Amino acid sequence: DAKTTQPTSMDCAEGRAANLPCNHSTISGNEYVYWYRQIHSQGPQYIIHGLKNNETNEMASLIITEDRKSSTLILPHATLRDTAVYYCIVRGFYNTDKLIFGTGTRLQVFP
Amino acid sequence: DVKVTQSSRYLVKRTGEKVFLECVQDMDHENMFWYRQDPGLGLRLIYFSYDVKMKEKGDIPEGYSVSREKKERFSLILESASTNQTSMYLCASSTPGTENTGELFFGEGSRLTVL
Repeated sequence: DAKTTQPTSMDCAEGRAANLPCNHSTISGNEYVYWYRQIHSQGPQYIIHGLKNNETNEMASLIITEDRKSSTLILPHATLRDTAVYYCIVRGFYNTDKLIFGTGTRLQVFP
Repeated sequence: DVKVTQSSRYLVKRTGEKVFLECVQDMDHENMFWYRQDPGLGLRLIYFSYDVKMKEKGDIPEGYSVSREKKERFSLILESASTNQTSMYLCASSTPGTENTGELFFGEGSRLTVL
């Protein structure tokens, strides 16, 4: 079973920030939070990951609460091309650790 | 560009047929994975391998087997296809953690229909 809980769907206006929440209340100390997204008819694509500090890259920002029980993925200026299913995943960082995907959040960006 | 290539985008097979889904990666990755994706269920892990000739069961291995004879190739085998195996199958690869992001690279998927 996935270790995360996400809303089923969200909407966001183009140009606005999209804030996608994720609950991972059972996360353990050596587990990271990963975010992937899947655009229709494509394989999932890595976005970002973090352990306890906030992270930012060219695609998004990841905000992890101090107790690490939840996080938020932020797309600062959503575009129509950001319409996708976004998956929040918790996993360890060892060679044999596997990524368990849940059902994700379907983000619809509208004009 | 890094690449994970799945042999067929679309396949149609009959119940009871043996089906091979092939996946090749050109990134010299140690880890390879097979997932299936169904509406409302997200991605579910079938099998994974973290070295040649090694394999580990994922969450739904029943009805499937895998083969990893070469580092770059990971095959998913349906010994006797059934209609409930109609699905989108996704292959992925990654390098081990600690030295990198642990990012999974996915292929474009193989949509299998079993009649």
